[in-house]
Amino acid sequence: DAMVIQNPRYQVTQFGKPVTLSCSQTLNHNVMYWYQQKSSQAPKLLFHYYDKDFNNEADTPDNFQSRRPNTSFCFLDIRSPGLGDAAMYLCATSRVAEVPNEQFFGPGTRLTVL
Amino acid sequence: DQQVKQNSPSLSVQEGRISILNCDYTNSMFDYFLWYKKYPAEGPTFLISISSIKDKNEDGRFTVFLNKSAKHLSLHIVPSQPGDSAVYFCAASRYNNNDMRFGAGTRLTVKP
Repeated sequence: DAMVIQNPRYQVTQFGKPVTLSCSQTLNHNVMYWYQQKSSQAPKLLFHYYDKDFNNEADTPDNFQSRRPNTSFCFLDIRSPGLGDAAMYLCATSRVAEVPNEQFFGPGTRLTVL
Repeated sequence: DQQVKQNSPSLSVQEGRISILNCDYTNSMFDYFLWYKKYPAEGPTFLISISSIKDKNEDGRFTVFLNKSAKHLSLHIVPSQPGDSAVYFCAASRYNNNDMRFGAGTRLTVKP
């Protein structure tokens, strides 16, 4: 089945220790997104890639970076995690950039910062 | 700024009755609206959408209504089934923009 996969499902890191979350897709979609969702809050878009073009949201902290080495994979790097970065991180994909097609989500990675 | 609001964190209905989930938005530039459903330990999955050129879209038991003047949309599920128990997210975007804004979600519980 075509899908969006996120690894790991649960990640524990220490305050200030860099961490990388990964997302892969078998849908061959050209757009990939990263969202942060804190408890009982709306998912918040951090950034997205349209093919290799990176689009950062204005209020995404510099502490968050992303890489997309190929169509299938996208990584979220948190350079120096703080306690406030503990959240669920959702990866999503969609087919095209110009029309608001539905987004396909992975199951998420829950990040704990000790 | 929260441009999409779901003011009811939870809703409980009896099996077979109608479930009505509400969503309000503030940005008049939004012209495409979606509902997503999320089960525990899974990512949100697309349920139904509506363009601003329509005021109603129906798909089986699910109907979305859009009131542009009130900047309000609602999702109706009828009849509700226990398997519909999930968190429902409302989302909005502009047609020519990837940016999709989500509400905080409403947890629906359908009791047998």
